[in-house]
Amino acid sequence: DSGVTQTPKHLITATGQRVTLRCSPRSGDLSVYWYQQSLDQGLQFLIQYYNGEERAKGNILERFSAQQFPDLHSELNLSSLELGDSALYFCASSPRDGIAKNIQYFGAGTRLSVL
Amino acid sequence: KNQVEQSPQSLIILEGKNCTLQCNYTVSPFSNLRWYKQDTGRGPVSLTIMTFSENTKSNGRYTATLDADTKQSSLHITASQLSDSASYICVVTPFSGGGADGLTFGKGTHLIIQP
Repeated sequence: DSGVTQTPKHLITATGQRVTLRCSPRSGDLSVYWYQQSLDQGLQFLIQYYNGEERAKGNILERFSAQQFPDLHSELNLSSLELGDSALYFCASSPRDGIAKNIQYFGAGTRLSVL
Repeated sequence: KNQVEQSPQSLIILEGKNCTLQCNYTVSPFSNLRWYKQDTGRGPVSLTIMTFSENTKSNGRYTATLDADTKQSSLHITASQLSDSASYICVVTPFSGGGADGLTFGKGTHLIIQP
């Protein structure tokens, strides 16, 4: 168990809908990262937060947004969902900001199916 | 553009045999190279982290090697077990540090251990 908790584990929804994925980082970790992993694709970095502030942005669509709250949990909001958004969404956390020596601890993921 | 290429894409071996997975990268300069193991439907788990000055790092039956001159890394698995069936992902961190948008992920090698 990595100590990173993601809910829900599975989510089935329809095109055009909006969903929220939730992540609780390991106790004491200040950085939270969101990744998307589609079938046959590698992990795609979406966004990173550090202590409530956006730290880095990857290939995140404008329909997607995220935030990190004062208690350090994070939410990833996906709106106007399309079939192509079906994927595994992972949250990871690490103690510090810089990635050079940081180990990322991954949650078990949320499997999103858009029908 | 920074890239990480992994080979083979998939591999099937018999239980008890050894195998070697390859990772070639173009990220330069880089800070460290990591290997992750990802069980089906689970989040990645860190196996090894090597800085640019290290040649080898072991974690039980897993041994990673790094040749910074040729920009190649390998992950050797000794005496494979059924539980080694997973995807193995190579990740390179650039020297600039900064946010996670700098991490470059390979697409992984899917390893299947047959009894």
